[in-house]
Amino acid sequence: NAGVTQTPKFQVLKTGQSMTLQCAQDMNHEYMSWYRQDPGMGLRLIHYSVGAGITDQGEVPNGYNVSRSTTEDFPLRLLSAAPSQTSVYFCASSYSLINEQFFGPGTRLTVL
Amino acid sequence: AQKITQTQPGMFVQEKEAVTLDCTYDTSDQSYGLFWYKQPSSGEMIFLIYQGSYDEQNATEGRYSLNFQKARKSANLVISASQLGDSAMYFCAMRVIWSSASKIIFGSGTRLSIRP
Repeated sequence: NAGVTQTPKFQVLKTGQSMTLQCAQDMNHEYMSWYRQDPGMGLRLIHYSVGAGITDQGEVPNGYNVSRSTTEDFPLRLLSAAPSQTSVYFCASSYSLINEQFFGPGTRLTVL
Repeated sequence: AQKITQTQPGMFVQEKEAVTLDCTYDTSDQSYGLFWYKQPSSGEMIFLIYQGSYDEQNATEGRYSLNFQKARKSANLVISASQLGDSAMYFCAMRVIWSSASKIIFGSGTRLSIRP
């Protein structure tokens, strides 16, 4: 099992550009989520999904879109990148909400 | 409002000593879960331990135990016999119900440094 994979590992964008952060898991987990971690801070929930076709907003959803067309994949789209979106992005999945979350290795995004 | 509070931004502990990392939470839910994660300098998030609100006994996993005091709304992580490899950021997290859905929120973390 590869677990939770994220691509790319590093990305530099210019203000106004759009891009998609990829996340995939091969554990057949229903629950997937995206977090951002700013320097010296905890993780803040951006969006989450409780199953294919079902997504909802977290604490900081503005500027991001998600979709969940399959159980395995949960991409995060930045619509128009801003310097405030410079952060490390983590994708996570779990079998259910009372089970541990498995985290991907993270994507370090810099917006110039 | 649902909230997780970790009041210790940083801690220094001598190797082999026990250490307690504080976590308090606020929720009106009767059913919730509390998690602890470790984040070493390499950046990955590592699950340590889980406690459900209806679990009568405190959770334990090897050197990790969770001191769950429901009335005080605290879920402190205890690491026994600390090791140099325990130096990392530690995050407390809670599963909450929000807008008829359920999500997990994190505290701001505690940076633990183990002195040799």
